[in-house]
Amino acid sequence: AAGVIQSPRHLIKEKRETATLKCYPIPRHDTVYWYQQGPGQDPQFLISFYEKMQSDKGSIPDRFSAQQFSDYHSELNMSSLELGDSALYFCASSYRVFGGDTQYFGPGTRLTVL
Amino acid sequence: KNEVEQSPQNLTAQEGEFITINCSYSVGISALHWLQQHPGGGIVSLFMLSSGKKKHGRLIATINIQEKHSSLHITASHPRDSAVYICAVRSLDDKIIFGKGTRLHILP
Repeated sequence: AAGVIQSPRHLIKEKRETATLKCYPIPRHDTVYWYQQGPGQDPQFLISFYEKMQSDKGSIPDRFSAQQFSDYHSELNMSSLELGDSALYFCASSYRVFGGDTQYFGPGTRLTVL
Repeated sequence: KNEVEQSPQNLTAQEGEFITINCSYSVGISALHWLQQHPGGGIVSLFMLSSGKKKHGRLIATINIQEKHSSLHITASHPRDSAVYICAVRSLDDKIIFGKGTRLHILP
């Protein structure tokens, strides 16, 4: 069965650069979630989208923005990168319209900021 | 005080033992998730609960909404069950709050 796809899997950037992470949800899933997990830390919820509209916002810095496109894939744009942005970024998707809320996670993108 | 508390934080057991991981929360929720994170970092969603009990293979998850408590049980534990198990809740104002995880190590 198709799973959540994230790209790239690994990304190395320098401070003050920008990065774009992509998430392709499971086909027919209408909700996408972004999470950030720093080294040795708990996952932190960043933002979610339902039917291409932002549905909830967590601890996402102002330097980050995200959107969900017409094909339901989502992109997390990160600007003015800081060393502290180095983390594993997970995307998850779910099919909310039937009330189901089980989230299926992608493999994550490991971002390293030098 | 964290809104989602898990216990124990660390658990080491012998292969075959019955494992219980607990999760208590202090906010109103619409759903509770149990997640499994392996050493490589990948996360798998095990269960989503809003009431009652669910079973999948050797895994059983229960939730008591009145007591704001959920448990994850593993029967006949195996070394491949070694992972971090994370409880996460979706609050009534639609925020997702994670527990700090329980690090489980099953010895052969």
